[in-house]
Amino acid sequence: DTGVSQNPRHKITKRGQNVTFRCDPISEHNRLYWYRQTLGQGPEFLTYFQNEAQLEKSRLLSDRFSAERPKGSFSTLEIQRTEQGDSAMYLCASSSDRGGQPQHFGDGTRLSIL
Amino acid sequence: AQSVTQLGSHVSVSEGALVLLRCNYSSSVPPYLFWYVQYPNQGLQLLLKYTSAATLVKGINGFEAEFKKSETSFHLTKPSAHMSDAAEYFCAVKLSNSGYALNFGKGTSLLVTP
Repeated sequence: DTGVSQNPRHKITKRGQNVTFRCDPISEHNRLYWYRQTLGQGPEFLTYFQNEAQLEKSRLLSDRFSAERPKGSFSTLEIQRTEQGDSAMYLCASSSDRGGQPQHFGDGTRLSIL
Repeated sequence: AQSVTQLGSHVSVSEGALVLLRCNYSSSVPPYLFWYVQYPNQGLQLLLKYTSAATLVKGINGFEAEFKKSETSFHLTKPSAHMSDAAEYFCAVKLSNSGYALNFGKGTSLLVTP
């Protein structure tokens, strides 16, 4: 069991730059979730994929955010024109079809905006 | 909208003592409820879930939680704390009949002292 893998672990960038994160779920899991967590808070839902279909998006996911899951395997989350408020830990999670809720989270990508 | 409130951002117990972490939910329809644990610098891990079957739910690592509709509560307990239980614990809720997003509480940090 290789677990959910997220890359990079840390990303430091200047305000206004674009960033992209990658998530590799557990291989047999067809459900994939992105959450965002800020210091002292619980995770906040961003978006959900079942296979390659993006079935739900949070209102938190502004037009600067986009997520993809081509071929229903790995997923990418891109943030364009980053802002200070985007600084957070971005978490990816996956689950099997019988699950329904996130079962396994990755260790996250910590984004710091200078 | 459904939400959870975790009472106490920090809880300290002695090794071997009872662990009680409190979670109250607000939901207009029957909820699904979850507890997750997050160890330092790691992703979240599902401890247990309530999905309208048995009201007493047993999870991993000796934890259990009881769904009490009359009290709108889903408190997490463990009879005897181990040093390895020190972590952040999150309660989460999802509407049973729609969506894929979980709403998380702010978390409770559990400290176990020798």
